[in-house]
Amino acid sequence: DAGVTQSPTHLIKTRGQQVTLRCSPKSGHDTVSWYQQALGQGPQFIFQYYEEEERQRGNFPDRFSGHQFPNYSSELNVNALLLGDSALYLCASRGVGQETQYFGPGTRLLVL
Amino acid sequence: SQKIEQNSEALNIQEGKTATLTCNYTNYSPAYLQWYRQDPGRGPVFLLLIRENEKEKRKERLKVTFDTTLKQSLFHITASQPADSATYLCALQGSAGNNRKLIWGLGTSLAVNP
Repeated sequence: DAGVTQSPTHLIKTRGQQVTLRCSPKSGHDTVSWYQQALGQGPQFIFQYYEEEERQRGNFPDRFSGHQFPNYSSELNVNALLLGDSALYLCASRGVGQETQYFGPGTRLLVL
Repeated sequence: SQKIEQNSEALNIQEGKTATLTCNYTNYSPAYLQWYRQDPGRGPVFLLLIRENEKEKRKERLKVTFDTTLKQSLFHITASQPADSATYLCALQGSAGNNRKLIWGLGTSLAVNP
């Protein structure tokens, strides 16, 4: 079992560009959540996907959007990147009826 | 608004001692409280979950208490080892709807010195 995987591991973009981050959940998990973690901060919830629909959303602007595919994998898209979007982006998955989330290693995004 | 506070300063302890980390919260009634470990540049790793109707939970050298009256959880690592050095995060979760999203503290950095 590979656990939660994310790609890419690191990414450098410039302001105004768009980025897509990818996540494959742990085997048997169907719910995927995305978090943004700035340096020295706790993770901030972006949104959660289940059955290919966004089920919950945190306080993030519409520039942040996502998608979940039939195989439960997910993408996070961020448009019109700002310097403040620089952070570690974490994906977490969990199974039906479970409260425990399993996190991937994250994607480190740097916006210049 | 909901607020979670963890020990703001880093905790330095000697190997073999018990580390105690604190998580306090306000304006929230969580159904669950979770503790995670995070190493630099890595994703958080789940350690323990405790429910609102549970007072204490243990797992090997780890112990978590949950006092919903004080709105506080304590996380203990007994017989600490240098390998326990990491940042420890607490996260709260409600029971239904949009409250089910995890709300996180900033974390407490623990250093166990040999």
